[in-house]
Amino acid sequence: SSELTQDPAVSVALGQTVRITCQGDSLRSYYASWYQQKPGQAPVLVIYGKNNRPSGIPDRFSGSSSGNTASLTITGAQAEDEADYYCNSRDSSGNHLGVFGGGTKLTVL
Amino acid sequence: QVQLVQSGAEVKKPGASVKVSCKASGYTFTSYGISWVRQAPGQGLEWMGWISAYNGNTNYAQKLQGRVTMTTDTSTSTAYMELRSLRSDDTAVYYCARDLGWEPSADFDYWGQGTLVTVSS
Repeated sequence: SSELTQDPAVSVALGQTVRITCQGDSLRSYYASWYQQKPGQAPVLVIYGKNNRPSGIPDRFSGSSSGNTASLTITGAQAEDEADYYCNSRDSSGNHLGVFGGGTKLTVL
Repeated sequence: QVQLVQSGAEVKKPGASVKVSCKASGYTFTSYGISWVRQAPGQGLEWMGWISAYNGNTNYAQKLQGRVTMTTDTSTSTAYMELRSLRSDDTAVYYCARDLGWEPSADFDYWGQGTLVTVSS
C-alpha cells in the first residue's frame, strides 16, 4: 500500500482543464513532485517544489498544495498529455524516506 | 547535456544478486545525489533509496533494508545498485535518477533509460 493516494484514472476533454490529486499525511510537511510517464518510457519530472517547472515543461502544467492534498493541474490539456502521472514525496516517518503515489492514468478525450 | 546511462538487461535466478550501474555525464557528479526507483511490470513506481555522490551517505526503503546496497565511484561518475537474495517479485525495470537535493528529495530531474531485471528459475 502507498502512503500517497491517487485516483486510478481521470479523463479530460481536449483543451479542457483537469486536476490530478494526491493525498497523504506527509504532504502537510513536504511538497510533492509530479512525474509524467508514457508507455515504455522513463518518467519525466513536470512539477517540483512549491510550483516549479523544469526547463522544457509547458506552462499549462502547474502544481498546488492545501493541507494533506497536492494537486497537478493541466490547463488546456493536449493529446500528448495522455499518460500516467505519479506524485512523489517523503513518507510520514520523518526519516527522509521517499514514497510514490499509486499513479493516475490520464485519458484525453 | 546531462545523461544517465544504465547497464543492460539481466536475467537472474532466485536467490542470486544483481548489480546495476548508472554512468553520469554532463554535470558535476558529486554535486547531486542519485535515487533509485523500480517499476514492476504493469505496476507503479517504487522508491528504493538514495545515495549522496558527495559523501556516500545512503537512505534505503525499509522493505529493502538488508538486501540493497547503493554505492558510487566518483572517479568514473558511476552509481551502482546491488540487490541480493532476488525473488520473483523483484522482476522490474530499475531506474537511476539524479536527485536535486543534498539529502533525499522527491525531485528527480534526469533519469536513466532503465534496466530490466528478470528473476526466473
